[in-house]
Amino acid sequence: KAGVTQTPRYLIKTRGQQVTLSCSPISGHRSVSWYQQTPGQGLQFLFEYFSETQRNKGNFPGRFSGRQFSNSRSEMNVSTLELGDSALYLCASSVQGHGYTFGSGTRLTVV
Amino acid sequence: QQQVKQSPQSLIVQKGGISIINCAYENTAFDYFPWYQQFPGKGPALLIAIRPDVSEKKEGRFTISFNKSAKQFSLHIMDSQPGDSATYFCAPGASGSRLTFGEGTQLTVNP
Repeated sequence: KAGVTQTPRYLIKTRGQQVTLSCSPISGHRSVSWYQQTPGQGLQFLFEYFSETQRNKGNFPGRFSGRQFSNSRSEMNVSTLELGDSALYLCASSVQGHGYTFGSGTRLTVV
Repeated sequence: QQQVKQSPQSLIVQKGGISIINCAYENTAFDYFPWYQQFPGKGPALLIAIRPDVSEKKEGRFTISFNKSAKQFSLHIMDSQPGDSATYFCAPGASGSRLTFGEGTQLTVNP
């Protein structure tokens, strides 16, 4: 059974650019959540999608957005990148709510 | 996010010893209490979780103890092994809502 797949694994972007990260959940999982992990702030919740609808949203600026497709795959987008956006972005999927399985993350570096 | 307070920040244990990590929370709506284990370069992996209707759950060398009145739960790792060296996170959540991660505990098990 394939796990949660995140692409790309590593990404380097310049300030002001935008970036799109992708997450393919475990087959049959309809809930996808995104978290940002940094040494200073730890793991912070970005948003959660269930059946293509955003169900929860964390306290991040509007530059951070996401969506979920009918096959449960999800993307998150960050526009106008700032140096402080450098982080490990983690995607997690579950059947419905808890018991999340995390991917290995996308390491984003903004220079 | 001060809703969840995890301690200690770091822990060094000898092989064969007992590792104990604590988590205190404020939100009484939480009804799911998991512990996650994270190795460098990987996403967090669900280790063990408990619901509030039981006070203790054991899976192999890992045990969760839950004290609802004190709003605390802890992870006990018996017979700690060098392979247990990782960062551990408590991440309580409420049904249908996001997980709230603690700051993490870096565990080192010396051989």
